[in-house]
Amino acid sequence: SQQGEEDPQALSIQEGENATMNCSYKTSINNLQWYRQNSGRGLVHLILIRSNEREKHSGRLRVTLDTSKKSSSLLITASRAADTASYFCATGYSGYSTLTFGKGTMLLVSP
Amino acid sequence: EAGVVQSPRYKIIEKKQPVAFWCNPISGHNTLYWYRQNLGQGPELLIRYENEEAVDDSQLPKDRFSAERLKGVDSTLKIQPAELGDSAVYLCASSFFEGGPEQYFGPGTRLTVT
Repeated sequence: SQQGEEDPQALSIQEGENATMNCSYKTSINNLQWYRQNSGRGLVHLILIRSNEREKHSGRLRVTLDTSKKSSSLLITASRAADTASYFCATGYSGYSTLTFGKGTMLLVSP
Repeated sequence: EAGVVQSPRYKIIEKKQPVAFWCNPISGHNTLYWYRQNLGQGPELLIRYENEEAVDDSQLPKDRFSAERLKGVDSTLKIQPAELGDSAVYLCASSFFEGGPEQYFGPGTRLTVT
């Protein structure tokens, strides 16, 4: 079963714009991770945020976590055509447990 | 450093036939995962190994699916017999217990059952 749900399901923007996608989940977590999947390829880990953290940055990525609302957001600033991919949030219940993935947001960045 | 290797990349079989997928994790990674990803969905865990022990196989359809991880390194996932609904991408991932919960994925095997 899917734990998280990403919103929106699809997002289309122009290069240079920011992209924001959200993830909601149902039960308490230890950590939340975001992964990217390019067409026809495996998933690549982008960023991890732990339940006691509220915000993390990595390059052009900014992730927030609100455990009271059971939600997270991923912001990609100054998007590039190469950012075109599907983005998945994944929740972990302990430090080393199985991850539960959402259905993903499909991002299209047009030149 | 080599990533997670999977083979084959694509497989087309007729229903009721057997099929096997192979995974070689990143060297030193003691945890190995098999996921199934249906079209338009996120990956769903089938089985998780810690070294050679299957510690979470609750989502593995045991009537037709089997997996093994001999010597705690390579792993094989088998389906016998395959059904039309098994068409999906089968992803293998690995992680290093002491390295944190991030997982590293292989490119996957796209299975089509006709």
